[in-house]
Amino acid sequence: DTGVSQNPRHKITKRGQNVTFRCDPISEHNRLYWYRQTLGQGPEFLTYFQNEAQLEKSRLLSDRFSAERPKGSFSTLEIQRTEQGDSAMYLCASSSRRSDNEQFFGPGTRLTVL
Amino acid sequence: GDSVTQMEGPVTLSEEAFLTINCTYTATGYPSLFWYVQYPGEGLQLLLKATKADDKGSNKGFEATYRKETTSFHLEKGSVQVSDSAVYFCALSDPEAGGTSYGKLTFGQGTILTVHP
Repeated sequence: DTGVSQNPRHKITKRGQNVTFRCDPISEHNRLYWYRQTLGQGPEFLTYFQNEAQLEKSRLLSDRFSAERPKGSFSTLEIQRTEQGDSAMYLCASSSRRSDNEQFFGPGTRLTVL
Repeated sequence: GDSVTQMEGPVTLSEEAFLTINCTYTATGYPSLFWYVQYPGEGLQLLLKATKADDKGSNKGFEATYRKETTSFHLEKGSVQVSDSAVYFCALSDPEAGGTSYGKLTFGQGTILTVHP
């Protein structure tokens, strides 16, 4: 068990560019969550998957954001036409029913939009 | 909707001092409550949890009691160490129908704790 991994750890981009982040959950965890954390705040829920199905999306997830989890394994979060307000830490967590869906978090991807 | 409010920080203590970090919540149902900790340069880790009223969660000398009457889940430790310096987050999750399984988490804003030797 290597834990939840996220890539890249840091991303700097210019406003208007598209970016994509990847999350690899703990193997056999069927649930995967995305959160966003801005400086001085707690993480805010964005979306979650059970296997490959995206079951809930927050109102925070604008049309420029899209998340996928093909085959129910890794997940990607894409932000199109980035804005400076998208600068944040993007966190991924995974869980399984066997542990009452206790969430295990990855180290996060820090996005800076210039 | 659900919300969590933590005492404003940062909190600075000397080693072996008593720690309290206040947390109150608002929820429509009967949520499970959590404290997560984020050490410098690391990801969020679950510190302790409580799933029903009057439950006490404990781990690494930290304790928190689920108080339904005051909608609180205050974190305490009797004697802090320098290694406890971190950011602490209170969180809640509404249980899923039919069990104790948790869903998405709602977090407080976090409290920075610094412990000096």
